[in-house]
Amino acid sequence: AQKVTQAQTEISVVEKEDVTLDCVYETRDTTYYLFWYKQPPSGELVFLIRRNSFDEQNEISGRYSWNFQKSTSSFNFTITASQVVDSAVYFCALSDYRDDKIIFGKGTRLHILP
Amino acid sequence: NAGVTQTPKFRVLKTGQSMTLLCAQDMNHEYMYWYRQDPGMGLRLIHYSVGEGTTAKGEVPDGYNVSRLKKQNFLLGLESAAPSQTSVYFCASSYGGLNTEAFFGQGTRLTVV
Repeated sequence: AQKVTQAQTEISVVEKEDVTLDCVYETRDTTYYLFWYKQPPSGELVFLIRRNSFDEQNEISGRYSWNFQKSTSSFNFTITASQVVDSAVYFCALSDYRDDKIIFGKGTRLHILP
Repeated sequence: NAGVTQTPKFRVLKTGQSMTLLCAQDMNHEYMYWYRQDPGMGLRLIHYSVGEGTTAKGEVPDGYNVSRLKKQNFLLGLESAAPSQTSVYFCASSYGGLNTEAFFGQGTRLTVV
């Protein structure tokens, strides 16, 4: 069965620090997709990235970067030089070929302190 | 472009009452989902649909029913509301289920007293 674990419930860092959000997943399939979503205080869910199981290249988008390691079943998200606007709940999610639906982790609440 | 629209945005129900949450998307997406979000529990999938006329159970389907009579609409019904169903409900849609990102509605905050 699918499972996504975000062990960090809540993180606080001071602005401009780097921060990494952890995501560990479980799936029986070799074909699957991983996602990260952001939920700012306003409540909407915003898509950040999608990664398929055959592409282990790390990805960088501005201050955001993602590290996908199949060997450890992890898909971690790093924010470099954090800003107050990064304060949000971040969700990691998984969909696999067998179940064909998107399952979310419990989320990590990130506080960026000015 | 409205995207995914949920109606209503807020609702208070008494225990035992019934109601229907409406989700409408204008992106011609095949897949639609209903999630509930509770503190410390993240997003949990209630039911989903892989196309018009289809529905399937998610992680927490008990106490809810759904219908997808039209491709653009996905209805979530509570036949007899219970306080445990107090939550924020999110509808989402995606072009495909496996490899495409989901687009979410603004959420419906439901309180059952």
